[in-house]
Amino acid sequence: KNEVEQSPQNLTAQEGEFITINCSYSVGISALHWLQQHPGGGIVSLFMLSSGKKKHGRLIATINIQEKHSSLHITASHPRDSAVYICAVEYGGATNKLIFGTGTLLAVQP
Amino acid sequence: GAVVSQHPSRVICKSGTSVKIECRSLDFQATTMFWYRQFPKKSLMLMATSNEGSKATYEQGVEKDKFLINHASLTLSTLTVTSAHPEDSSFYICSASGGWVESQYFGPGTRLLVL
Repeated sequence: KNEVEQSPQNLTAQEGEFITINCSYSVGISALHWLQQHPGGGIVSLFMLSSGKKKHGRLIATINIQEKHSSLHITASHPRDSAVYICAVEYGGATNKLIFGTGTLLAVQP
Repeated sequence: GAVVSQHPSRVICKSGTSVKIECRSLDFQATTMFWYRQFPKKSLMLMATSNEGSKATYEQGVEKDKFLINHASLTLSTLTVTSAHPEDSSFYICSASGGWVESQYFGPGTRLLVL
């Protein structure tokens, strides 16, 4: 079993739909990251969370430390949101090492 | 937010040659830089952690003589793939942390193709 599990692995949505991607982890963490990777590979850091909720534009990320679970929500989805969304947890204290989930491939159709 | 750049973004080389990839933090001092490798449709795999001015710490299974890492300044780390072979073809990504940056910021990645 992976230490970081994401669901779903693949997601197809229609433009305008509300999207949720889930991440569960089994290790003690100091922070959780949500990353976006577009075709061609470049990675963009979306959020870093250690508690509660963060919002940036149409993106919302939440984390429940007790339940070891985080969600990434996209409101009013758009085809440009199509990408791989990766959850990564930070552990190891000062070394800031990350464990990555396998990613969720999102395709938003017009 | 913090900006991390990588150069080149894409490189094609012949088998047996060495390739150097640069990772730069543009607006903060990166005391720590991380190098990752990503195979198609797979997660990122940490290769090594480098702290400015000291030797890199390699993950298990990563050959330190094959993947030379230098972190000589607070804004630059380099990864040199020595005597590259086709199996080294991959997507290499760096990230950096330090200074005012509370966590890691990722570079855009370098796609290496060894013929």
